[in-house]
Amino acid sequence: EIVLTQSPATLSLSPGDRATLSCRASESVSTSLAWYQQQPGQAPRLVIYDTSHRATGTPARFSGSGSGTDFTLTIGSLEPEDFAVYYCQQRSSWPLTFGGGTKVEIK
Amino acid sequence: EVQLLESGGDLVQPGESLRLSCAASGVTFRTYAMSWVRQAPGKGLEWVSGISGGAGSTFYADSVRGRFTISRDSSKNTLLLQLSSLRAEDTAVYYCARSVYGFPWAFDIWGQGTVVTVSS
Repeated sequence: EIVLTQSPATLSLSPGDRATLSCRASESVSTSLAWYQQQPGQAPRLVIYDTSHRATGTPARFSGSGSGTDFTLTIGSLEPEDFAVYYCQQRSSWPLTFGGGTKVEIK
Repeated sequence: EVQLLESGGDLVQPGESLRLSCAASGVTFRTYAMSWVRQAPGKGLEWVSGISGGAGSTFYADSVRGRFTISRDSSKNTLLLQLSSLRAEDTAVYYCARSVYGFPWAFDIWGQGTVVTVSS
């Protein structure tokens, strides 16, 4: 099973700051990596798929990069609604796996 | 608008069974790969099971293989998950999720979830 390790566990930032979230895979997933945002008490929402494709409705301040084992989700300038937990997920091999999450909180 | 609505969650005792349903509107189920993903209280996301579009190949996490069965009823546009031999560690919110068209197993539409509690 491919293990996804997200860092940091918590990111304390202010609105307007730039956020950089990391996801490292235990083996190559090529570019088959997605990012989800989850607000408290809500279902996850797809933000980015296949490393860098923004999902429908995802603002341009969100961008994804990487390949192989190292991936980054960048939020260019944090808006109040961006403070949430973010998960990465690989679809390269079975079983599908998620990372443990990064919480982006207001500093 | 595409919507997914889960139902069937309940409080059950260890060893019992349960069937979860996910009704879809605004989308033809059979075209898309679909999955169940769960989230235990206060924990992260865990993929549970998936069924491909078309032929309907099925896939399971090791933690549920042999106990859970995924299927779909195309006539009712409904995704199903049969849970048996339930354990305390199966307690979670269960979400059904639809794959991005052309990018199976990246999930762009999620239901609101249904709660399964396994406790004596």
